[in-house]
Amino acid sequence: GDSVTQMEGPVTLSEEAFLTINCTYTATGYPSLFWYVQYPGEGLQLLLKATKADDKGSNKGFEATYRKETTSFHLEKGSVQVSDSAVYFCALSDLGMRFGAGTRLTVKP
Amino acid sequence: GAVVSQHPSRVICKSGTSVKIECRSLDFQATTMFWYRQFPKKSLMLMATSNEGSKATYEQGVEKDKFLINHASLTLSTLTVTSAHPEDSSFYICSAETGTGGYEQYFGPGTRLTVT
Repeated sequence: GDSVTQMEGPVTLSEEAFLTINCTYTATGYPSLFWYVQYPGEGLQLLLKATKADDKGSNKGFEATYRKETTSFHLEKGSVQVSDSAVYFCALSDLGMRFGAGTRLTVKP
Repeated sequence: GAVVSQHPSRVICKSGTSVKIECRSLDFQATTMFWYRQFPKKSLMLMATSNEGSKATYEQGVEKDKFLINHASLTLSTLTVTSAHPEDSSFYICSAETGTGGYEQYFGPGTRLTVT
């Protein structure tokens, strides 16, 4: 079945550093792709999404582009903040969400 | 909009008993709801897909007689863990599709189940 492979981390960065979290997918069709974020003690929140190839999802300074040729949906942010510390999940829709393993990001002041 | 609630947020039960978890879509109707399980510091694993008015579809390896799912209305799905054992202790999360396209799901805050 469809699946997602995600860089596991943990990732520790200093404030204002550049962030990349890699995500690749395996799918028979063309699923929608998502990034979800889970802040400490909170539930999952949708961060951004892309529904077709070459679409770019963006939110709160985060971006990810749906790349069909490389089957990737890498998450990027140009300048992270302490408040971005959380666990990030890449996911695709396949009769329910298929999640990557999650990447724990810690941003230090 | 698109708020999903779960009740209870935490529950402790004794081994051998059953516990019911409710998932509600508060401001929209959800023809499809999903149940996930998250182990500590792990990812979410899809357990089953719940469609209003029909039987749930379970993922491979999930015991349907142990995890009973009922989707009685367009705003409520329930997960009952029957004859719970300590290995059933986990974080259970539900989600609901709005049906407006894009396959976006809205997630509940989760229920922490501890079986003693």
